Amino acid sequence: DTGVSQDPRHKITKRGQNVTFRCDPISEHNRLYWYRQTLGQGPEFLTYFQNEAQLEKSRLLSDRFSAERPKGSFSTLEIQRTEQGDSAMYLCASSRGDVYNEQFFGPGTRLTVL
Amino acid sequence: AQTVTQSQPEMSVQEAETVTLSCTYDTSESDYYLFWYKQPPSRQMILVIRQEAYKQQNATENRFSVNFQKAAKSFSLKISDSQLGDAAMYFCAYRSARSGTYKYIFGTGTRLKVLA
Repeated sequence: DTGVSQDPRHKITKRGQNVTFRCDPISEHNRLYWYRQTLGQGPEFLTYFQNEAQLEKSRLLSDRFSAERPKGSFSTLEIQRTEQGDSAMYLCASSRGDVYNEQFFGPGTRLTVL
Repeated sequence: AQTVTQSQPEMSVQEAETVTLSCTYDTSESDYYLFWYKQPPSRQMILVIRQEAYKQQNATENRFSVNFQKAAKSFSLKISDSQLGDAAMYFCAYRSARSGTYKYIFGTGTRLKVLA
């Protein structure tokens, strides 16, 4: 078990372009989460999946954001028509369905929108 | 809505000394979980310690312990015998115990510097 992985680690894009990030959770974890972290702030919840079902979405997740988790395995987060305000670290986490629900975090994808 | 507040943006501690990081939270719920996560400069967050609100006993993990004051809604982290490897951002997090609610609510973090 190598932990949660995310790809790419860094992404630089021009305003208006679309970007897609991938997250591979720990294999036996059925819950997967996306957070966004801007400089000097703690992570903010974006959305979460239980298996392939997206069960909660934050108001931070505008219409330009979409997340999927086909077959309950890896997940993708797509941002369409990127804006400079989208520049942030995007963190993925996964957890088992136990009472503590300890979330294991990936290294994040750093997005810079020029 | 629940909120988590970390009022110390930065703290310093001498190696081998003890430091306490503060965290307060606001909630109307009676059952919840509290966590401290460490985010080293490489940015991958790892769990330091957790506390269940229904447990009166403070959690302890080796050099890390918490002071959980439920009535005061306070959850501080004490690091004993500080080591250079403890230098990192520390985030306090809250999770509701309500069924179907699994997201964490994080504070803004405290940067801990360990001086040799």
